[in-house]
Amino acid sequence: EAQVTQNPRYLITVTGKKLTVTCSQNMNHEYMSWYRQDPGLGLRQIYYSMNVEVTDKGDVPEGYKVSRKEKRNFPLILESPSPNQTSLYFCASSQGVGSPLHFGNGTRLTVT
Amino acid sequence: AQSVAQPEDQVNVAEGNPLTVKCTYSVSGNPYLFWYVQYPNRGLQFLLKYITGDNLVKGSYGFEAEFNKSQTSFHLKKPSALVSDSALYFCAVRGGPTDSWGKLQFGAGTQVVVTP
Repeated sequence: EAQVTQNPRYLITVTGKKLTVTCSQNMNHEYMSWYRQDPGLGLRQIYYSMNVEVTDKGDVPEGYKVSRKEKRNFPLILESPSPNQTSLYFCASSQGVGSPLHFGNGTRLTVT
Repeated sequence: AQSVAQPEDQVNVAEGNPLTVKCTYSVSGNPYLFWYVQYPNRGLQFLLKYITGDNLVKGSYGFEAEFNKSQTSFHLKKPSALVSDSALYFCAVRGGPTDSWGKLQFGAGTQVVVTP
């Protein structure tokens, strides 16, 4: 089954404790992206990757890191999480710029 | 820079009545426009897109959208709403060649409530 898999689904952590949210797709998509969803703000793009070893900042990259060493994986790294990063995070992938995004089921992160 | 606006936080409609969810955008060049739907506790699902061609685009679950270049709008429509259409709807835009191809801007979302 074609899918984007994010892990974990739920994560509660404390300020400053490094964490990684994994994202993997099995559709051989070139494009991958991370978003955060907050009430009233919709989805805001954090980082995106047009291909392996190519990543670029979205609208809200501060406090986040990404890497794209393999085509299928695009992990999101929070090296020192803060409470304002409490949010619902989505990973997505697509074949190209005109193609629709396939979304993962989301990761609900709480930073205390 | 590209932007997208969904002017209504919530749209209420009775089952069987027409449903419209509004979206306006701002981009340089020709836009790539998308609609996505989010059901409770789920990820987003693609409904339809406009890139070029016919201004009326048909998509999944009986939805359609009309691209209006002069009004920079891309409203989502359904002739007869179902209770199961109750969800959060997002409009998204990707800008033309002068914007980064990788940046995709989403609206704030419109909650649709369909009552029996």
